[in-house]
Order: sequence, then C-alpha cells, then structure tokens
Amino acid sequence: GESVGLHLPTLSVQEGDNSIINCAYSNSASDYFIWYKQESGKGPQFIIDIRSNMDKRQGQRVTVLLNKTVKHLSLQIAATQPGDSAVYFCAEISSGNTGKLIFGQGTTLQVKP
Amino acid sequence: AAGVIQSPRHLIKEKRETATLKCYPIPRHDTVYWYQQGPGQDPQFLISFYEKMQSDKGSIPDRFSAQQFSDYHSELNMSSLELGDSALYFCASSLVGGRTPPIYEQYFGPGTRLTVT
Repeated sequence: GESVGLHLPTLSVQEGDNSIINCAYSNSASDYFIWYKQESGKGPQFIIDIRSNMDKRQGQRVTVLLNKTVKHLSLQIAATQPGDSAVYFCAEISSGNTGKLIFGQGTTLQVKP
Repeated sequence: AAGVIQSPRHLIKEKRETATLKCYPIPRHDTVYWYQQGPGQDPQFLISFYEKMQSDKGSIPDRFSAQQFSDYHSELNMSSLELGDSALYFCASSLVGGRTPPIYEQYFGPGTRLTVT
C-alpha cells in the first residue's frame, strides 16, 4: 500500500555540522508534507511543512526540499545543536484527505558535542 | 499559548479491562485526531473528528470507540484491553474548516502512556 519511509534509522553528527534527513514517499497523490521532531516521552512537534507545488521551503535553521520526480523529501538542519537530538518523522497528507497524517519510520538524530 | 491537553498521562490496566483517554484540543480548533505509537514505531492514525462528527477512520480496533463532545474535547474508549494495546496514545488538534486550501498543521498533546499487564 501507500507508505512514507525513511532511508536511515540513525544519523550521528558533530555539533555545528549540518544534518540531512531523507524520506521517500510512494503516494504520488500526496500534496502536503510535514516534518515532525519527537523528543523522548513527548508528542511530535511540528517543524516545517511544504506543499507539492513547492520545491523548497526555509525556516529557522531548517530547510525542506521536495523532489516530486523521484518522490523524495529531505530535511536539512543547519549548525546542528545538542538540542536537535531527537527522532524525526516525515508525514504526508493526500489530496482530498481529511488531514490524517501518514507517518514514515523515524530517524534518530544524535548530536555529538 | 495553550496546547493540547491529554489525561491521564500514564495509565496501567489489566487485560480485559477498559480505559478512557481524554483529549482537550487547542481552543477554537475544530478537528481532533487520535494516533497510537508502539515502542520504537511511528504513530499510526486511529480516528479523527471534525466539528464533532467522525471524519476519518484508520486502523482502529472494533474494541475501541471515540467521540467528540459539544465542547470539542474528545474521548477514546478502549475495551477488552490486550497486551498489544500498550502504547503511547497521542491526540492532535488543528483548525481546518473555512480555509482554502485547508490547513492541516496538527499540534500534538504530550500523550497518554497506556500499559496493559
């Protein structure tokens, strides 16, 4: 069935480096994508979103890139900090959907001091 | 700013018992979503309500039911609990209605950790 998944389960980076977390999706009808950050014992926290009519969107220290040709989504975190350590999920919403999120497998980001 | 409130935060039940989880959405939000997250897994959509009507249904067992009340809070009722129901249960809310295109930015509560023994 349709799914959203992540390439790597764990990403370890040095503090100050840039991080790139990838996500592949299979539903070509998806028109809205969101990245969430989940810290241990907490609910997912909205980071940034992007609609399918965009290729790139920037936030504070984060950038999301969408490549519809290969159905690929990425989250770039600039100058990664220890506070960025968490599990990151991509999620998608399909056109005409009620808004339910279909999450992909999370990637654990570990930031080394 | 007000966030999504869930209660209780922790719940321990025995097999075959019942449990009720409560969710209080952000004020003026019209949509509530319930998700289940097993250990080390991604959240799975269970059910959602828009303006107190069920709007979508996911992989929710028949043993579970939910509703949204006139004050927009929602309750997830779980009966005949099984060991496999042990998980984190998240509620999320959003303000969807009246916007074109709809805004689906969902804000999650802290979750209820249910342990079935």
